[in-house]
Amino acid sequence: NAGVMQNPRHLVRRRGQEARLRCSPMKGHSHVYWYRQLPEEGLKFMVYLQKENIIDESGMPKERFSAEFPKEGPSILRIQQVVRGDSAAYFCASSTTGRETQYFGPGTRLLVL
Amino acid sequence: GQQLNQSPQSMFIQEGEDVSMNCTSSSIFNTWLWYKQDPGEGPVLLIALYKAGELTSNGRLTAQFGITRKDSFLNISASIPSDVGIYFCAGQLMGSNYQLIWGAGTKLIIKP
Repeated sequence: NAGVMQNPRHLVRRRGQEARLRCSPMKGHSHVYWYRQLPEEGLKFMVYLQKENIIDESGMPKERFSAEFPKEGPSILRIQQVVRGDSAAYFCASSTTGRETQYFGPGTRLLVL
Repeated sequence: GQQLNQSPQSMFIQEGEDVSMNCTSSSIFNTWLWYKQDPGEGPVLLIALYKAGELTSNGRLTAQFGITRKDSFLNISASIPSDVGIYFCAGQLMGSNYQLIWGAGTKLIIKP
């Protein structure tokens, strides 16, 4: 049973470009969470999604950031017009229900030049 | 926002020594989780705690959910080189079903 998959593992963008981060949850999981981690820090919650629904986006900046989890395909975290401060590791986690243990993917490390 | 205070920030130990780290908060949690993160990887769940006072082991790891619901500790006995990494505590606040609040991590370094 494959774990949570994220791609790309590393992404380099220039300021002003768009970044698209993908997350495929574990088989049987319909709940997806996105977190951001800065160097030497813990993870910070960004957004919680179920299939076709955003449940909680309270941790996500209101501008330039968006997330979706379509009926088919992976969850996407999209960052428009990236700035240097967006450089971080972005982790996706999934669970069977909102109350169950979250399992994490390997992360996407975004570097904005 | 909510915070977990995790300590120590880093530990330098000899192979074979026992390790102890803890997390505290002013808020009450209904779940405590301990994760390990290796360089370039995502966090991997080590131990999950769901009841105040609960003491749970996973091999050489032991963790406890404090009876006040505001703290938790993780012990590693007889450390080995592969224990190197960053250990994070994470908690779910009372009244929250899913959102995890994370500590800043404890970096474990084993001296050769």
